[in-house]
Amino acid sequence: ETGVTQSPTHLIKTRGQQVTLRCSSQSGHNTVSWYQQALGQGPQFIFQYYREEENGRGNFPPRFSGLQFPNYSSELNVNALELDDSALYLCASSGKGEGQYFGAGTRLSVL
Amino acid sequence: DQQVKQNSPSLSVQEGRISILNCDYTNSMFDYFLWYKKYPAEGPTFLISISSIKDKNEDGRFTVFLNKSAKHLSLHIVPSQPGDSAVYFCAARDPNAGGTSYGKLTFGQGTILTVHP
Repeated sequence: ETGVTQSPTHLIKTRGQQVTLRCSSQSGHNTVSWYQQALGQGPQFIFQYYREEENGRGNFPPRFSGLQFPNYSSELNVNALELDDSALYLCASSGKGEGQYFGAGTRLSVL
Repeated sequence: DQQVKQNSPSLSVQEGRISILNCDYTNSMFDYFLWYKKYPAEGPTFLISISSIKDKNEDGRFTVFLNKSAKHLSLHIVPSQPGDSAVYFCAARDPNAGGTSYGKLTFGQGTILTVHP
C-alpha cells in the first residue's frame, strides 16, 4: 500500500456535468501529479502541483483544472464532461528525490 | 505522438522461465526510465528504474537493460512466478517538460504478462 488515497473509487456522470476527484498524498510528499488512463492505454500526464502551484501540464484542455491544499492533498476538476473523459484517473504523490507513488484511481464513466 | 511504445500487448510465459518485456522510445531527451507493475483495481507500483547514463540495473529477479543508441529498453524477470502476472508499464522522464521530482512521466501502453504455473 502506497499511502496515496483517492476518492471516490467509482463515479458516473452525464455529458456536460462537472466532476471533482480527490487525492490525499503520502505523508511528507509535497508534489501531486494527475494522470488519465483510458481503457487499453497507459496513463497520460494531466498536470502536476507543487506547493499549491501548478507546475507542469500535459496536453489537456483548460476544462481540466486542479488545486492543491496546504496539507498537499489535491483535487482534479473537470468541467463540461465529454464521453471521451471516461477513464481511470490516477493521482501520484512524490517527495524530493523519490519516485512517484500512485493511488488506486477513480473510475469515471460519462454517459 | 507516441513517444514511448510497448509493441507487445501481451506475453505468456511458463513459471520458472524468463519474461522479457520490451519498450521503445523516440525522445532522446528522456533521462530516466521506470517500470511499473499494475494489478487490477490497484494503482501502478514502481518496480525498477534506470538512469540514461547506465545500461543495466538489477534488483533481485528484475533487470532492466537500456540501449540508448537503439532507444530501446527491456525488463527481464528471472525466474518468472505466477504472482508476476500483471500489466507492466514502461515510463520515461523528460527533465525539460516541467514539474519537480520525477516530473512528467510518459507511459507506454502496457504489456499484460501472464505467468502459467
